[in-house]
Amino acid sequence: SAVISQKPSRDICQRGTSLTIQCQVDSQVTMMFWYRQQPGQSLTLIATANQGSEATYESGFVIDKFPISRPNLTFSTLTVSNMSPEDSSIYLCSVPGGPGGYNEQFFGPGTRLTVL
Amino acid sequence: QQQVKQSPQSLIVQKGGISIINCAYENTAFDYFPWYQQFPGKGPALLIAIRPDVSEKKEGRFTISFNKSAKQFSLHIMDSQPGDSATYFCAASNGETSGSRLTFGEGTQLTVNP
Repeated sequence: SAVISQKPSRDICQRGTSLTIQCQVDSQVTMMFWYRQQPGQSLTLIATANQGSEATYESGFVIDKFPISRPNLTFSTLTVSNMSPEDSSIYLCSVPGGPGGYNEQFFGPGTRLTVL
Repeated sequence: QQQVKQSPQSLIVQKGGISIINCAYENTAFDYFPWYQQFPGKGPALLIAIRPDVSEKKEGRFTISFNKSAKQFSLHIMDSQPGDSATYFCAASNGETSGSRLTFGEGTQLTVNP
């Protein structure tokens, strides 16, 4: 399975500021996914980031709030813009792949964001 | 739109007992059903997965049972151990139409008492 790292691991931010989260994978992958996990909740897909094209956002998420970059096949960033306390969540990136086939998906350790 | 429903929300089991978590889905196009295990402060880790062409898959103490007609699947943890205490998520995806986009259940917080 892919080894995925995220930076920062956690951060505490002030309302109205922005935070960029980095996701690094140890192998080249076409698709990367960004999820949000609100406190005590399940995971919700924010967007799919394909290298060389615009990210595809899920219903309820917009590019102005969560701009994504995908400069190469091993790296992506997610920015949480103009933050409010409601953005306090764990943000996770994931990539597909593995011996079981394309459907398998592996997650990074997450970035725990607290907005004051 | 919640397409995968998971129960129970929380579960307490004694060491050595069997833990059972259930999920039901709506979208008949789903063709891949994984279970993830998440410890506090960590990302979800793939535990075991099944495709609808089989009714059961076993890996060690973990077994998935799948009922296609009922659109339900469940995770059984045999001989549950305190180290199994974690949050478990079921999920589903359709590789043909959505790549690997996963739809997750609400999660079950499992506590195994020593």
